[in-house]
Amino acid sequence: QVQLQESGPGLVKPSGTLSLTCAVSGGSISSSNWWSWVRLPPGKGLEWIGEIYHSGSTNYNPSLKSRVTISVDNSKNQFSLKLNSVAAADTAVYYCARKGYYLASGHYYFDYWGQGTLVTVSS
Amino acid sequence: EIVLTQSPGTLSLSPGERATLSCRASQSVSSVMSSYLAWYQQKPGQAPRLLIYDVSSRATGIPDRFSGSGSGTDFTLTISRLEPEDFAVYYCQQGSFGGGTKVEIK
Repeated sequence: QVQLQESGPGLVKPSGTLSLTCAVSGGSISSSNWWSWVRLPPGKGLEWIGEIYHSGSTNYNPSLKSRVTISVDNSKNQFSLKLNSVAAADTAVYYCARKGYYLASGHYYFDYWGQGTLVTVSS
Repeated sequence: EIVLTQSPGTLSLSPGERATLSCRASQSVSSVMSSYLAWYQQKPGQAPRLLIYDVSSRATGIPDRFSGSGSGTDFTLTISRLEPEDFAVYYCQQGSFGGGTKVEIK
């Protein structure tokens, strides 16, 4: 059973950098899946931030692309998120998730999720 | 970029009733991507859970009261008879996520 666990500071100052890591257990990050970050701002809906493949290929939400970097450490079986120049609007519960490959259609879906971590942007 | 619009925003129903949730895409996708749509359930304080993938396939362990249908730009999640544990927020996803539909107890 694949498990994901987010870790990182729960409080970040405005204009600072939000940094989170997702540790993957029960499966290899080098498998044929994408590894993603999704957030849930208070009172709003889910927002996809971006994703990475074990090779290092990335895709980012166009609305966040200029501020986001996602990286992978295959040796530690984990991947990370950096979001710079944060503001109050970046306050959210941040989830890491696996985007698993579904053979029948060749599509990828979010099938395993971390429990989420609340990050508050405030001075 | 395709935008997904979910309706209604909130659905107030009683246990045992049927729930019909709608997800409309701003444009139709190619034939290769026509089966690309998922539904997720999220309860307060919990991570989202994959319910339906490829428009109509139930994920592992999902009860058969949940069903998905649709094609082109219009997709539907149906819960045939609401159980108490089904009251939650539901999201469709095709790349990005829709805005969500909250199913609340009437």
